Formats: sequence, structure tokens, C-alpha cells
Amino acid sequence: DTAVSQTPKYLVTQMGNDKSIKCEQNLGHDTMYWYKQDSKKFLKIMFSYNNKELIINETVPNRFSPKSPDKAHLNLHINSLELGDSAVYFCASSQVLDRVGVLTFGAGSRLTVL
Amino acid sequence: GDSVTQMEGPVTLSEEAFLTINCTYTATGYPSLFWYVQYPGEGLQLLLKATKADDKGSNKGFEATYRKETTSFHLEKGSVQVSDSAVYFCALSDRTGSARQLTFGSGTQLTVLP
Repeated sequence: DTAVSQTPKYLVTQMGNDKSIKCEQNLGHDTMYWYKQDSKKFLKIMFSYNNKELIINETVPNRFSPKSPDKAHLNLHINSLELGDSAVYFCASSQVLDRVGVLTFGAGSRLTVL
Repeated sequence: GDSVTQMEGPVTLSEEAFLTINCTYTATGYPSLFWYVQYPGEGLQLLLKATKADDKGSNKGFEATYRKETTSFHLEKGSVQVSDSAVYFCALSDRTGSARQLTFGSGTQLTVLP
């Protein structure tokens, strides 16, 4: 039973299209995140939601819009895709009361923009 | 802001060799420190953690000690196996408002040859 699941695992699309990546966690965690991993494996946080409320919003183009319908789900919608959006996007979750800060990651969604 | 500097890879070792991957950090508070591992095609998994100075985290034969005086958290393993081939990320966790945020190093690719 997967703790943090993302769909789709692979996404290939044309420039200018709009796409979404979905994430669900069954750990009962309060906080969810989106991270972007570039081709050099560098990981950068994009967003974080705590119990459906946006709490971290890094410098990300406003073409990226996260949506959290409930605390178990955090989806990422991307408008007008650009070549530079090609990356692996990781969803993660944690317990906000966890003072240590351990995150559980999904397997990633590889987005390729042609 | 917080940052993590990690030894650049790639690192290639023969099976049973000794491994060290260096990691140093900059943080204003008292962060928790982590090593995450990413196997090919998978998401990140927590390998080990340490929450305060002089703590030693250990798992699967890997160890790292939280050194406040040198702001370091170097990863070591006495005898690597082919199955240890992966990308290793050093990270620190600190608070951003009501949430914990992980800041990652750039990752070190390890390849172990039989």
C-alpha cells in the first residue's frame, strides 16, 4: 500500500499545453510538498500546504498552481508549459507536529516538454 | 538562508571499499540533519538522521555524526555493495512558519562496481 502516490509517472507533452500531476498520501500527515528535481538532480522546494492551507510558496512562475482539496491530496497544475519545465516533480508529506522534519516522498513524475 | 554543500560526484568505488561523502551546512538555528538516498527510477528515501549536536545517525551500515563545531554531517560506510549504487542527498530541516522545510544538497552519484 503506497504511502505517497503520484500520477502520472511519466508525462510527455508539447510546449504551450496545460497539464496536471496528482498526489495522494495515506499516512494521515498534515503537510504536503512539491519539489522539482532538474536534470542535474538538484532538488528545490516549490510549494507546501498544511491542512489545505498554502504555507510555503517559493519563487515559482505563476503558471504553476497547486491545489489541495483536502489534507490527503495536493495536485499541481501547470499552464502554458515551457521547455524549462521538463524535470522530475516529487510530492512529499510530513507530520507538522514532527519536530524533526522527516519527509516521505512519492516516486516522482517525470515531465518532458517537447 | 540555510544551505547545504555536498561533495561533488560522481563517485565510483569497488565493492567492499570504504565510502565517505562530505556534507557541510549553513543554518541560523539548530537544524536537524538527514541523508536521503535515491535509487534509480525511484523517489527519495530517508537513510538516516540526527537531531542535535554529536548525535550519530545510522542505518544499513551507513553512519553520519552531527558535528556542530565543523558544521558537518559526513556520510560513511565501511564496506559498500553494488546495491548501494544510488544518488545520496544531504539535507537539513528548519522551520518556515508553521512547517518544516528540507533544504537539500546537490546530490552525489555513487556507483559501486563488482
